Amino acid sequence: DAKTTQPNSMESNEEEPVHLPCNHSTISGTDYIHWYRQLPSQGPEYVIHGLTSNVNNRMASLAIAEDRKSSTLILHRATLRDAAVYYCILRRGGSNYKLTFGKGTLLTVNP
Amino acid sequence: KAGVTQTPRYLIKTRGQQVTLSCSPISGHRSVSWYQQTPGQGLQFLFEYFSETQRNKGNFPGRFSGRQFSNSRSEMNVSTLELGDSALYLCASSGGHLGETQYFGPGTRLLVL
Repeated sequence: DAKTTQPNSMESNEEEPVHLPCNHSTISGTDYIHWYRQLPSQGPEYVIHGLTSNVNNRMASLAIAEDRKSSTLILHRATLRDAAVYYCILRRGGSNYKLTFGKGTLLTVNP
Repeated sequence: KAGVTQTPRYLIKTRGQQVTLSCSPISGHRSVSWYQQTPGQGLQFLFEYFSETQRNKGNFPGRFSGRQFSNSRSEMNVSTLELGDSALYLCASSGGHLGETQYFGPGTRLLVL
């Protein structure tokens, strides 16, 4: 599985935008970029995913570099509830449901 | 739609015992995956079942096994428990062959004494 690199931790203030970076220089053409987050004492939660184009949903936006070697998860207005570990994962398209989690980024949101 | 449920939520066992954990996927989902989460190793993939067949397997010893029933419910078994098996065991379900998203349950926290 191709690897991803994320900062260990980031800090943000409430109601400010947050940009969480992820590097994946060995990504292959069929790898989807997935983001999950894990709130304290809960199982991981799907956030967003994309292949080549930028994606938006009600939770976040995903900006993918043109060469696909990096991506950024954007939380437009951080809330205290967004404090979590955010995982950037590459998943080969198709029926392989194995997710390879890295260490993720611990996001702290200050009131 | 009800989410993924796991039972029990907490479990205490002693070394050498065996344990069975249960997972009920989201209605209609046919794929169930299991993960182990520990502070040292993070989240690690155990195995995935689809239509009662193991389709993917991680790098865990044979003491870790699983199965899936015709209603897609899944069980995971760990035999001859070791202290290092203390962890949060997470189950995730996905829908259909082309399902992209995994939906995780709250996990079962296992403590081995």
